[in-house]
Amino acid sequence: GNSVTQMEGPVTLSEEAFLTINCTYTATGYPSLFWYVQYPGEGLQLLLKATKADDKGSNKGFEATYRKETTSFHLEKGSVQVSDSAVYFCALSIAGQGAQKLVFGQGTRLTINP
Amino acid sequence: GAVVSQHPSWVICKSGTSVKIECRSLDFQATTMFWYRQFPKQSLMLMATSNEGSKATYEQGVEKDKFLINHASLTLSTLTVTSAHPEDSSFYICSAPGGVFNEKLFFGSGTQLSVL
Repeated sequence: GNSVTQMEGPVTLSEEAFLTINCTYTATGYPSLFWYVQYPGEGLQLLLKATKADDKGSNKGFEATYRKETTSFHLEKGSVQVSDSAVYFCALSIAGQGAQKLVFGQGTRLTINP
Repeated sequence: GAVVSQHPSWVICKSGTSVKIECRSLDFQATTMFWYRQFPKQSLMLMATSNEGSKATYEQGVEKDKFLINHASLTLSTLTVTSAHPEDSSFYICSAPGGVFNEKLFFGSGTQLSVL
């Protein structure tokens, strides 16, 4: 079956620290991979995505590279800010099953201290 | 940008009562909406797909009589948890596709349900 596993949180870092949130997946087809972010009191928002192997998604200083050989899509940021505090969800969708039908990980809560 | 409004954001109810959660697309129409639930430290799981003007499509293992879905209009879908029990306590989120080709998903902020 299709599944997504994220590193367990919560993760607490100081401002300007380097961030990595691990995400690995299993999929029966050729998935597209996503990172969504949920800020306090708001809905999930798409942060970045990659649709094929070796693609790199990037947005707001965050990056993730689609690694087929390790079935991973780790989220990274070189220097985090307090405003990055949120819950981050890794997700996949399978071609042919509807791009809107997402399989999510459990989410990782990130807190950045000033 | 497109906004999906979900209400209430949290609700506490007694066991045996029913709870209704609303999901509205505020500035776009959605013929389809999705309902998810999340238990603590577990994945966000798709429960059902709500279809305007027709029956909802439920994922395997989801009780359709327990989780009633009504997509009353092109901007409103409701999820009613009937005869709620403590094991129904969970975080529920809705989403709706939008964008020029419905290629984007817009999410509500979620509802935390606690059943006593």
